[in-house]
Amino acid sequence: AQSVAQPEDQVNVAEGNPLTVKCTYSVSGNPYLFWYVQYPNRGLQFLLKYITGDNLVKGSYGFEAEFNKSQTSFHLKKPSALVSDSALYFCAVRDTSGGSYIPTFGRGTSLIVHP
Amino acid sequence: ETGVTQTPRHLVMGMTNKKSLKCEQHLGHNAMYWYKQSAKKPLELMFVYSLEERVENNSVPSRFSPECPNSSHLFLHLHTLQPEDSALYLCASSQEPAGTSANEQFFGPGTRLTVL
Repeated sequence: AQSVAQPEDQVNVAEGNPLTVKCTYSVSGNPYLFWYVQYPNRGLQFLLKYITGDNLVKGSYGFEAEFNKSQTSFHLKKPSALVSDSALYFCAVRDTSGGSYIPTFGRGTSLIVHP
Repeated sequence: ETGVTQTPRHLVMGMTNKKSLKCEQHLGHNAMYWYKQSAKKPLELMFVYSLEERVENNSVPSRFSPECPNSSHLFLHLHTLQPEDSALYLCASSQEPAGTSANEQFFGPGTRLTVL
C-alpha cells in the first residue's frame, strides 16, 4: 500500500525568504516521488521527481526537493520565494513494489508568498 | 495543439441534463485518467484507462460514465448529476511501460462543472 501526507494545509512566507513545503510518504518497497504545482483555474504541472540516486533533486522554476529515506520525507524547497510561486502544491508517490503505475496524491498545500 | 486539452472549460448544467466532457492528449501516451477536484477535498481518482481498457474505477457513482475510444481521446459522460458533483474535472495522461514506472502525469486545464 502507498500513501502520502502533506501536514500543512497552508504555508506563508515572505518574498525573498526560503520556503519549504513538507511531504511524508509510506510505501512497501521503494518510492518514486513527485511534486506538482497547480495555479488557479489550471491543471497540475509537473515540477520534479525522485527515482533513485542523488537525494537532492532539482526541478523547474528554481525548486528542489530532498529525499530522506530514514524520515520517509520528500520536502520541496526553494532558496528565495517569489510572489508568483503562490499556488497549490501536491506531492505524489508510487510504490515500486506494487506493480501499479497509478500514483497517490497528497491533499495539497497552499503556498502564499507575501510581497 | 500540444499537451492535454479539455473541452469545455466551463459547464453549467441542470440535474436532469446529459452532457459530456472531452479530453484529448497529443503526447502519444498510453494511459489516461479522470480526476475530480472539489474545494477543500483531496484530488479524487475516478477512472484510469490504459491501452483503451479500463483498469481501475474507484467506486464512482454510475451517473458518471467514462469512454475511451482510442489512446488519444477520453470522455466523461454525465447524467442526472447532483449539486455535490460540482467540481473541477481534470484529465491526465502518462506513458506507462509494463510494470511500475517513474513517468510523471501530464494534466489538462480542467473543466469547471457547476450543477444547479
